Amino acid sequence: QVTLKESGPGILQPSQTLSLTCTFSGFSLSTYGMGVGWIRQPSGKGLEWLANIWWDDDKYYNPSLKNRLTISKDTSNNQAFLKITNVDTADTATYYCARPDYYRPYFDYWGQGVMVTVSS
Amino acid sequence: DIVMTQTPSSQAVSAGEKVTMSCKSSQSLLYNENKKNYLAWYQQKPGQSPKLLIYWASTRESGVPDRFIGSGSGTDFTLTISSVQAEDLAVYYCQQYYNLYTFGAGTKLELK
Repeated sequence: QVTLKESGPGILQPSQTLSLTCTFSGFSLSTYGMGVGWIRQPSGKGLEWLANIWWDDDKYYNPSLKNRLTISKDTSNNQAFLKITNVDTADTATYYCARPDYYRPYFDYWGQGVMVTVSS
Repeated sequence: DIVMTQTPSSQAVSAGEKVTMSCKSSQSLLYNENKKNYLAWYQQKPGQSPKLLIYWASTRESGVPDRFIGSGSGTDFTLTISSVQAEDLAVYYCQQYYNLYTFGAGTKLELK
């Protein structure tokens, strides 16, 4: 059974760095073809894809945010991470992690999401 | 960047109605090597994470009721719900995965 769960700071101030963790089970990021993606959703708005990391450590970023994002993984602990630098109020959102794989590159499993508020 | 445009933004429906919603992409999502359209549909109910309904434009995810039908090719796609149930009231998003990922803005199904 595949599960994913996000964790984060809850609230942070403008200009700080947001660090998010996705802890998953039921698959491994050391297995050929597996990946984890991050997607966010401001309250009442649509979905925005942020980044993906793959089993071979390939990384892909949303071009509009690329210079602020860093995705990484800890294969041994079944975790993936996302850092967003220099946050502002526009980064206030629910952040989801989800699983794609190489042969099914859409997101078939999603975490419950973690709410992050940027406020001074 | 591939832009995904969904219409309508909201739709009021009654139980039992047939519903269609549209998703258009700014470039073709059909990959000629495998003849697959790189388009998925998700359902999101209030307070919940998105749920995968349809992938490759027309393949239903396991466990999704057969009243959900995805169709289309190239740049024009449609999600049809053949007979809407109360539990189908949600926001529906299309997503391209042809080149990175982009979501449409969503179509909200509301009760008439």
